[in-house]
Parts: sequence; C-alpha cells; structure tokens
Amino acid sequence: ETGVTQTPRHLVMGMTNKKSLKCEQHLGHNAMYWYKQSAKKPLELMFVYNFKEQTENNSVPSRFSPECPNSSHLFLHLHTLQPEDSALYLCASSQDRELAGDWAYNEQFFGPGTRLTVL
Amino acid sequence: KNQVEQSPQSLIILEGKNCTLQCNYTVSPFSNLRWYKQDTGRGPVSLTIMTFSENTKSNGRYTATLDADTKQSSLHITASQLSDSASYICVVSASGGSYIPTFGRGTSLIVHP
Repeated sequence: ETGVTQTPRHLVMGMTNKKSLKCEQHLGHNAMYWYKQSAKKPLELMFVYNFKEQTENNSVPSRFSPECPNSSHLFLHLHTLQPEDSALYLCASSQDRELAGDWAYNEQFFGPGTRLTVL
Repeated sequence: KNQVEQSPQSLIILEGKNCTLQCNYTVSPFSNLRWYKQDTGRGPVSLTIMTFSENTKSNGRYTATLDADTKQSSLHITASQLSDSASYICVVSASGGSYIPTFGRGTSLIVHP
C-alpha cells in the first residue's frame, strides 16, 4: 500500500453513536492533518500533528477527538455528532517543518477521504 | 482576516479548449500559493506551488501565474481533456509559523466531449 489511506470510505452514523476514522500514511512523513470538507465550503483544517504531538486545534468541537499513536497513524474519534457534521473528512501528511525547511512549502499528500453522514 | 476568493465558481468547456481560473487573496504576510486538483471522491493533489519571487510555473498543460503586488493568481489549462474535469482549489499560506493555510472554495470545471 502506498500514499495515504483512509478507512472507512463511507460511514453513516446516528447522533448517539461512537465511531472512529482511521488514516495511515506510507510516505515516511512526520506531520499529519485532519480536514473537513463540506459541500460548497472551503476545506477546513481541524487538527495538526507533528511528530505525534498535536500542534494545532482549529477551534474544533470536543465531539471530535483526534489520536496520533505514531507518525504513520492518525485517528479521529467521533461522539454525539450533529447532522451538520456530515461532510468529507480528509487526512493528509507532509514532511516535518524542520526537515524540509519552511513548513509552508511542504506539500501535503491527501487521502481519498471518508464520506460521513450523520442521521 | 485572511481570505481566498476563486472565480468562476463553476465552468463548462468543450474538450480541446483552453480556460483560465482566477484566485484573489488577502493572506498576509504571504509565503506561498498552491493550486490543487480534486477529482470527485478523491483527495486534492498538488499541481503547482509558487513563492513570492515566482510569477509563473508550469506542470504539463497547467500553467499558474502569480502577481504578488495585486495578490492575484491564475491557473491556465491548455488543450483541455475530459480528465481535467475536477475541482481546482487555490490555497495560500502565510509566513510566520502558522500551520493553518487559507483555502478557496474551488472552481468546478466540467469538460464536455
């Protein structure tokens, strides 16, 4: 398996369910990201992990809980979501800032996303 | 507030024709600007990246331009193909340590045979 993979690709859940999204990268990167993409809205960065440490939380509600056990794996735990949380959730990875110079120049490689529907 | 505006919102062209997509931004201080292509049901893929000192960059049939003075960028697609049908997203990053880039809403391009 190469690149960035995400499972499941599709998920339907009720508002009281607990589920988790999984992301795995096979690129040797040290930074991983969760994004939310809603219809007709720009991509929204949710969380950033650099060397397993969370470095950014973009004011995300606590019903979304990220976990990064190592540099290759990233999870997004979901609990008591709302229908407006229905969206495409994208994971991405990139080289660490210090290894490749200016972070902002590091290309992010995206996974295919998980299409989440909250009923 | 940092913003990225893209136009048009959607575009339909015939196969073989050229087209140009626009991106205006207010991100400051500017670090770099990327164009991404996102196929339906897939994650975005980077096409080009430009820093302050670069005003044009090509990737095959895709050519991006940057005018840092007017804070505008364009993505020109030459001799369009059916596979060019996708959403094209402009992303602008600021310098100074923030990990949070600013994304445009994207332009949806449909290429008809």
